[in-house]
Amino acid sequence: GAVVSQHPSRVICKSGTSVKIECRSLDFQATTMFWYRQFPKQSLMLMATSNEGSKATYEQGVEKDKFLINHASLTLSTLTVTSAHPEDSSFYICSARDRAGAPNTGELFFGEGSRLTVL
Amino acid sequence: GDSVTQMEGPVTLSEEAFLTINCTYTATGYPSLFWYVQYPGEGLQLLLKATKADDKGSNKGFEATYRKETTSFHLEKGSVQVSDSAVYFCALSDRRAGGFKTIFGAGTRLFVKA
Repeated sequence: GAVVSQHPSRVICKSGTSVKIECRSLDFQATTMFWYRQFPKQSLMLMATSNEGSKATYEQGVEKDKFLINHASLTLSTLTVTSAHPEDSSFYICSARDRAGAPNTGELFFGEGSRLTVL
Repeated sequence: GDSVTQMEGPVTLSEEAFLTINCTYTATGYPSLFWYVQYPGEGLQLLLKATKADDKGSNKGFEATYRKETTSFHLEKGSVQVSDSAVYFCALSDRRAGGFKTIFGAGTRLFVKA
């Protein structure tokens, strides 16, 4: 099946610094990737849809200047948390669809997740 | 709009017990339905899916049937194991202009005791 890889799996940073999380589709091309945030014991909250070669579409209430998304190639999307603060600490998950493999079902393939801790 | 409602957890069972996690949905179109599983500290992975009414998805002993008349997609397993302890998410994907939109349920945490 399609594989999505996320890196880093864990990151600890100081308040005020920026952190970049990468999401790669390893064996398929993903023109669209999705970024989620998950708080402890809660469901996934869609933050934004990342579109290859164009601007990301952010969900209501998500600060686009805070969470920068870049999707420069068909296999890589990055999420940068700028000027991170402790309240940004969370589990961030990316996903993508393999349009060639499952074109009509909407199935998603998920990365392993990245746990961000801001001190 | 579309929505997914699943039973609240946590659900605690003994090993070899029967599992049911209820999931109902509302959708304007004809969505595909999914169960995803999240093991501790990991991302989500697909457990099973069904793309049209009366389809039954199955994997690793888990089953769910797409019931259009009751708008349900309940997850069942006849005999759970400790290794099934995880969070289970019911989800639907509905085709919209420009692509699919996926809606997740709140998740149900399952604890299986030895």
